[in-house]
Amino acid sequence: AQSVTQLGSHVSVSEGALVLLRCNYSSSVPPYLFWYVQYPNQGLQLLLKYTTGATLVKGINGFEAEFKKSETSFHLTKPSAHMSDAAEYFCAAKPATGNQFYFGTGTSLTVIP
Amino acid sequence: GAGVSQSPSNKVTEKGKDVELRCDPISGHTALYWYRQSLGQGLEFLIYFQGNSAPDKSGLPSDRFSAERTGGSVSTLTIQRTQQEDSAVYLCASSLETGPLHFGNGTRLTVT
Repeated sequence: AQSVTQLGSHVSVSEGALVLLRCNYSSSVPPYLFWYVQYPNQGLQLLLKYTTGATLVKGINGFEAEFKKSETSFHLTKPSAHMSDAAEYFCAAKPATGNQFYFGTGTSLTVIP
Repeated sequence: GAGVSQSPSNKVTEKGKDVELRCDPISGHTALYWYRQSLGQGLEFLIYFQGNSAPDKSGLPSDRFSAERTGGSVSTLTIQRTQQEDSAVYLCASSLETGPLHFGNGTRLTVT
């Protein structure tokens, strides 16, 4: 079965610093990959997705992620953190066949002014 | 266009009572999912619908939990004889056959 691992349940960065949130998946067949953001008292909002094609995916709010098959990773980055980026971030994977989505346990991002 | 709508947004109920949670998916989305999110926790899969059928009910925690979907659209999640451990945010999401999930804002259930 597919699994998704997010290293670091809590990440703190200074405003203006690089944001790096890590995600690794386990599968012999690269799945579809997603990053979601959750603000307090809201549902999850899609940041970006990888299905096929270009391995560097750009999303909303200046975020991007790179699919690295050799490392089974899909890390999320943003060059310069804003205070408004403080939220919970979830990585998810979906096998190319099948309908189950597998979520990581989430990373809480704190941005320090 | 309209997103996934969930109602109520908040529900407080007494232990032992039954509750119904409603989800209106995005029009045309054939797949519908229910997840549970406890305080500070990740997402716990409950059930998946494809059209009106539920090929995957593996996440329902007990026989007190049930769900149905009618007309390939609205879904209700019913919890009978609620317990305090049922307190959580219940999230609904819908998708096209191969698309990403689109989430509603959830129903926060508190069992007193």
